[in-house]
Amino acid sequence: AQSVAQPEDQVNVAEGNPLTVKCTYSVSGNPYLFWYVQYPNRGLQFLLKYITGDNLVKGSYGFEAEFNKSQTSFHLKKPSALVSDSALYFCAVRGDLNSGGYQKVTFGIGTKLQVIP
Amino acid sequence: NAGVTQTPKFRVLKTGQSMTLLCAQDMNHEYMYWYRQDPGMGLRLIHYSVGEGTTAKGEVPDGYNVSRLKKQNFLLGLESAAPSQTSVYFCASSPGTASSGANVLTFGAGSRLTVL
Repeated sequence: AQSVAQPEDQVNVAEGNPLTVKCTYSVSGNPYLFWYVQYPNRGLQFLLKYITGDNLVKGSYGFEAEFNKSQTSFHLKKPSALVSDSALYFCAVRGDLNSGGYQKVTFGIGTKLQVIP
Repeated sequence: NAGVTQTPKFRVLKTGQSMTLLCAQDMNHEYMYWYRQDPGMGLRLIHYSVGEGTTAKGEVPDGYNVSRLKKQNFLLGLESAAPSQTSVYFCASSPGTASSGANVLTFGAGSRLTVL
């Protein structure tokens, strides 16, 4: 069964410093990888995805993520953190389509990012 | 363009009561989903639908039923609410597999349910 691990419950970073939120995954077949962000009392919003191609993916709000197949990781990064980046971040994975043409998306438990002014 | 709309946003139930959460999307998406979010457990899929008139079980379907009579609506029902169903419920939708955006989920704002 596919799974996602986000090993850090919370990441604290000073404003202006680079940030990394870690994600590793397990899936049979080719992985489709995603990052979503959740602000307080809101639904999840899509940030970026990796389907195929370049291992470095750029997304919304200056975020990027690097796909590493050998380490089965898809860490989220940003060169310079903003206080407004403080939120809950979810990594997600989807495997190959099943015989019915559908494969569900599995989410990690989320990592709280706190950017300190 | 409203995206995904969930109603109600908040609800308090007593054990044994029934209720229905409504999800509506205006993006003509084929797929729709119901997730629950609990502290320390992330999002767990309850039920999903790959098209009008079809539904399927997710990871935690017990105690819930769903219906998708119209493409734009996905209803989540609790027949006899239990305290363990206290949670925040999120509806999401995505295009069909033929679309370039097939993999990206659009979420509603959530429905907070408390069962006493």
